[in-house]
Amino acid sequence: GEEVAQTPKHLVRGEGQKAKLYCAPIKGHSYVFWYQQVLKNEFKFLISFQNENVFDETGMPKERFSAKCLPNSPCSLEIQATKLEDSAVYFCASSPNSGANVLTFGAGSRLTVL
Amino acid sequence: AQKVTQAQTEISVVEKEDVTLDCVYETRDTTYYLFWYKQPPSGELVFLIRRNSFDEQNEISGRYSWNFQKSTSSFNFTITASQVVDSAVYFCALRTSGGSYIPTFGRGTSLIVHP
Repeated sequence: GEEVAQTPKHLVRGEGQKAKLYCAPIKGHSYVFWYQQVLKNEFKFLISFQNENVFDETGMPKERFSAKCLPNSPCSLEIQATKLEDSAVYFCASSPNSGANVLTFGAGSRLTVL
Repeated sequence: AQKVTQAQTEISVVEKEDVTLDCVYETRDTTYYLFWYKQPPSGELVFLIRRNSFDEQNEISGRYSWNFQKSTSSFNFTITASQVVDSAVYFCALRTSGGSYIPTFGRGTSLIVHP
């Protein structure tokens, strides 16, 4: 499709529960990026993929966050044992390549941790 | 290291006023790309413009214009005759080869246009 599809739109979890978010990039786009946005402020980069390979994971809090992009499946971002500070909107974006191309963003998944 | 600074946290104007949103960037790379995105209250990110470091021509698109100045490392965005629908948070972003082309975003400027 011509849009980045993120599901679910909104997810509510109790502290300590697991949360899993999904992202289907635009067909033909090789790069996928995950960002975290807290309170409509800055976008914090988490991780990027080139196809199913991790391209850059310098922003990932690795102790509780993990992500995958497997062939023929939506990409996923999973948070084990969520904390209150994980409450944010998680945006996925895709791009045809790693260079100058514009990132196309999904509508975001709002995670609320209670 | 790459960095984007949007010093204006919030700007409030009355409809039909012109408004300029500032963006200052830092990078040691000679090849880089600058972007502006709009995030309306509905939350999605809308791409507005991309500029590469070799093209300093200013650009105009309707009521929107962009002023790219390498000498001051700035890529400012002006809305002429603002409208209520322009109310949104605007983000400036930078992609460089030295940063693995991972886009770095500024903290955003919230623009409120009053009727």
